[in-house]
Amino acid sequence: ETGVTQSPTHLIKTRGQQVTLRCSSQSGHNTVSWYQQALGQGPQFIFQYYREEENGRGNFPPRFSGLQFPNYSSELNVNALELDDSALYLCASSTRGSPNEKLFFGSGTQLSVL
Amino acid sequence: KQEVTQIPAALSVPEGENLVLNCSFTDSAIYNLQWFRQDPGKGLTSLLLIQSSQREQTSGRLNASLDKSSGRSTLYIAASQPGDSATYLCAVPSYGGATNKLIFGTGTLLAVQP
Repeated sequence: ETGVTQSPTHLIKTRGQQVTLRCSSQSGHNTVSWYQQALGQGPQFIFQYYREEENGRGNFPPRFSGLQFPNYSSELNVNALELDDSALYLCASSTRGSPNEKLFFGSGTQLSVL
Repeated sequence: KQEVTQIPAALSVPEGENLVLNCSFTDSAIYNLQWFRQDPGKGLTSLLLIQSSQREQTSGRLNASLDKSSGRSTLYIAASQPGDSATYLCAVPSYGGATNKLIFGTGTLLAVQP
């Protein structure tokens, strides 16, 4: 157990809908990163939040957006869902978000878009 | 652009066998390399993190090595057990940025047969 919790664990949506995924970081961690993992692939970096500000973004369109709250929990929002958005969404937390830190991952949210 | 590759994609071994998983990366400018374990549909558990100045890290039956000059890392699992069955992923942080954005390989799916 890493102390990083994600909700919900599973979600089914239809194309065009919007979805919000949630993540609570490990105690003492102020950085949250989000990753998308398609079936059979390694996770792909979506973005990172540090002290409530976006601090780095991967190659994802603007319909992927996020928030970090004062308690360092975070949300990932995806608008206008597409079939290819079906994936496991992973949240990870760390203390500073620096390259030499370990990341602690949650168990993920499995999103299915029909 | 850093690319991470893992070979083989899948591996099946009988219980008790020693085995080696391979990870290669194209850019030797790395801060560290991390090995993760992922159970089906679940999040990632960090196994070992090797700093760029290190050659090896050990944890129990696991030993990870790093050869930056050749762009390779190996994960050695001694005396494999059915409970070791999982996907093993290696990852390196993106170099030169302010984040700990990880670049992952596609993983090796390990099945240990009892």
